[in-house]
Amino acid sequence: DADVTQTPRNRITKTGKRIMLECSQTKGHDRMYWYRQDPGLGLQLIYYSFDVKDINKGEISDGYSVSRQAQAKFSLSLESAIPNQTALYFCAMPGQFPTDTQYFGPGTRLTVL
Amino acid sequence: DAKTTQPNSMESNEEEPVHLPCNHSTISGTDYIHWYRQLPSQGPEYVIHGLTSNVNNRMASLAIAEDRKSSTLILHRATLRDAAVYYCILRDRGGGSNYKLTFGKGTLLTVNP
Repeated sequence: DADVTQTPRNRITKTGKRIMLECSQTKGHDRMYWYRQDPGLGLQLIYYSFDVKDINKGEISDGYSVSRQAQAKFSLSLESAIPNQTALYFCAMPGQFPTDTQYFGPGTRLTVL
Repeated sequence: DAKTTQPNSMESNEEEPVHLPCNHSTISGTDYIHWYRQLPSQGPEYVIHGLTSNVNNRMASLAIAEDRKSSTLILHRATLRDAAVYYCILRDRGGGSNYKLTFGKGTLLTVNP
């Protein structure tokens, strides 16, 4: 089983709809991260969590919210999706070895029409 | 956050060495130099990191300039599977285990058969 799973893997939605992207990890890490990647660009940090009660905004948090329901789960929500939120979304957690690295999930491709 | 500068793209031939440069003239004494790569349709994956000394692992080597203002990722024998975007990232050691990564646009490496 993969250490980090993201659901859904692909999603098409319409402007104004609420959508939730989910991330689960099996390694018991406190730290989890959400990134966004636009075509041809690097990743931008949306939100990050250092433990269940410690959630922080990243570079581009406007229009997004997160929920850390449990240590293993970190969900990203778009309350009212807009077309410029069309992107690849990656969840990440600390790497196993070396430990001061990050391990990324497979990504969710989101299209907002 | 300290910035890095990388060429937008580079090209190599299969089985030849590849040297991917990164400039980080504003690096601080507490910054680690991390390299990640992103294969097509995948999330980024950790490659290597270092602080002051050159580093080797099974994937690559990292050569760090004596003044630490630049570094070079070395792939000793490029394969077609090494075609990816390579990101050079500075990570503040002072953050301890709680840190975030700031991605730039990276270098797109093309490997010719």
